[in-house]
Amino acid sequence: LAKTTQPISMDSYEGQEVNITCSHNNIATNDYITWYQQFPSQGPRFIIQGYKTKVTNEVASLFIPADRKSSTLSLPRVSLSDTAVYYCLVGDGGYNKLIFGAGTRLAVHP
Amino acid sequence: NAGVTQTPKFQVLKTGQSMTLQCAQDMNHEYMSWYRQDPGMGLRLIHYSVGAGITDQGEVPNGYNVSRSTTEDFPLRLLSAAPSQTSVYFCASSYGTSDYNEQFFGPGTRLTVL
Repeated sequence: LAKTTQPISMDSYEGQEVNITCSHNNIATNDYITWYQQFPSQGPRFIIQGYKTKVTNEVASLFIPADRKSSTLSLPRVSLSDTAVYYCLVGDGGYNKLIFGAGTRLAVHP
Repeated sequence: NAGVTQTPKFQVLKTGQSMTLQCAQDMNHEYMSWYRQDPGMGLRLIHYSVGAGITDQGEVPNGYNVSRSTTEDFPLRLLSAAPSQTSVYFCASSYGTSDYNEQFFGPGTRLTVL
């Protein structure tokens, strides 16, 4: 199983760009990288998924280097409402392989 | 679509009592699962189902039973509640293996066992 390592917490200010890096040294060839967001008292919500290079959607960008041993979630111009826990997951399918770690607690300040 | 719904939102049990946490989805998803989340921690998989009539154990299955008689419903049963089962429980669903990474989560059930 590919283990992931993320910072426990990060702080930012409104309007700044936030980059959260996830390490996954043991990623397998078939593994995808997925990020979820969780607000207090809510279930996690899918943000973005990628396999290699760069993926962008209306919420975030995901940067994956060629060796795929890490990935970076980029949140442009954060607001207070982006305060949440962000989880990095690595897997190739099958619920018994999907592991949510402790995530990164992002606090956005005014 | 209502998405994934869970009932109840809150529940307090005494040690030894039994109860069923309900989960339903109206998206015709084949895959459903139950997670528990303890304070300050990530989610841990309890049980999952790849379709009606098929269930399997996740990381922390002890003390919990599941069944999947229909595509829509996936109830979680606590047979004899213990204080260690105090947690927030989330149900999730997804289309299938190719899209498994995009799971849709319910709002959660906060369970306290005294």
